[in-house]
Amino acid sequence: DAEITQSPRHKITETGRQVTLACHQTWNHNNMFWYRQDLGHGLRLIHYSYGVQDTNKGEVSDGYSVSRSNTEDLPLTLESAASSQTSVYFCASRGNGPNSPLHFGNGTRLTVT
Amino acid sequence: GDSVTQMEGPVTLSEEAFLTINCTYTATGYPSLFWYVQYPGEGLQLLLKATKADDKGSNKGFEATYRKETTSFHLEKGSVQVSDSAVYFCALSPNFGNEKLTFGTGTRLTIIP
Repeated sequence: DAEITQSPRHKITETGRQVTLACHQTWNHNNMFWYRQDLGHGLRLIHYSYGVQDTNKGEVSDGYSVSRSNTEDLPLTLESAASSQTSVYFCASRGNGPNSPLHFGNGTRLTVT
Repeated sequence: GDSVTQMEGPVTLSEEAFLTINCTYTATGYPSLFWYVQYPGEGLQLLLKATKADDKGSNKGFEATYRKETTSFHLEKGSVQVSDSAVYFCALSPNFGNEKLTFGTGTRLTIIP
């Protein structure tokens, strides 16, 4: 079965360090998204991509970057981790068309100390 | 821009009670509408969807009807179980292209035996 896999599941890092969260999907979807989930804020979109070499900023993109070198992967990089970036991060993908649902990974819990 | 408003949680019900979680939306045209469910420690999963006015989505005993006249997509279940305890998200997708989904803030549901 197709799936979307995030790694690591848990990560603790120090302020100022660079961190990369991995996302790999086997759905062969063009469209991939990164969200963060925080109490009281629901899901907030960080970055998204509609295909190889395409990346776009979401509503909370400051301090984050993504790259899309192939269809399957969209790694999320925190260039210099801050305590405000402690959160649960979800990667998602969807097929083409407005009726296509999002498929989510199981999330990465990141703690910045 | 597009937006989704869900009823504030948390919601606590006894087993076998009737459930309604309200969801209203603001969007241009005729978006597709979704309900997602998130169990503890997991990513979001698609629960049901509706793609045009008066459509009823249903799954696992849950139902929601796309009401264009009231711009609503309320989630209902006739008899909830303890296993339904989760966070529920309403979401919309514009009816063109592969645009990102807009999510509500989520409603935490707890069912007590």
